[in-house]
Amino acid sequence: DVKVTQSSRYLVKRTGEKVFLECVQDMDHENMFWYRQDPGLGLRLIYFSYDVKMKEKGDIPEGYSVSREKKERFSLILESASTNQTSMYLCASSTTSGTTGDTQYFGPGTRLTVL
Amino acid sequence: RKEVEQDPGPFNVPEGATVAFNCTYSNSASQSFFWYRQDCRKEPKLLMSVYSSGNEDGRFTAQLNRASQYISLLIRDSKLSDSATYLCVVNTPAGGFKTIFGAGTRLFVKA
Repeated sequence: DVKVTQSSRYLVKRTGEKVFLECVQDMDHENMFWYRQDPGLGLRLIYFSYDVKMKEKGDIPEGYSVSREKKERFSLILESASTNQTSMYLCASSTTSGTTGDTQYFGPGTRLTVL
Repeated sequence: RKEVEQDPGPFNVPEGATVAFNCTYSNSASQSFFWYRQDCRKEPKLLMSVYSSGNEDGRFTAQLNRASQYISLLIRDSKLSDSATYLCVVNTPAGGFKTIFGAGTRLFVKA
């Protein structure tokens, strides 16, 4: 079974703090993604990565950065948290090979509240 | 127009009912399609892929209509445990591939 884990289920931070969200997958997937999910807006892609040390901007990268130093780990960084970044953050991974190609497997999510 | 559109619902149906959701997509070059299920406060999980020929998995049937650019999900004999949000997902060519999630259709199955 694919397992995607995220470092925290719930997180409360203050405006201006630097926030790190960690994601680890154990299936040797090449692709990793960070989304945020807000009511009525669905999942919106923040950043994704197709390989180690590689990153691409998604639809809403402003205010975020990412790091992928190892294949299994993809980190999302909020350089200076703001209240409009209060959201559910979901990490996902996928492989382009084999029968499960294109299927994204999600972590349990981190509900971030910025006060 | 959104790239992937779904009726947000909610759909409120009794146990045993048959319910169908549609999802439309705007890019005719889209190549792969999926339905995901998301329970309240949980992560999305793959329910089924959608193939051109249509596919069935137990009580669930997914269909693709390329000409009209929509996919559908049919749930027969609804169970209470089917209550969830169903997300339509489309992979579209955009320099590699771009995965676009619909905002979801909420289903409540009542006893």
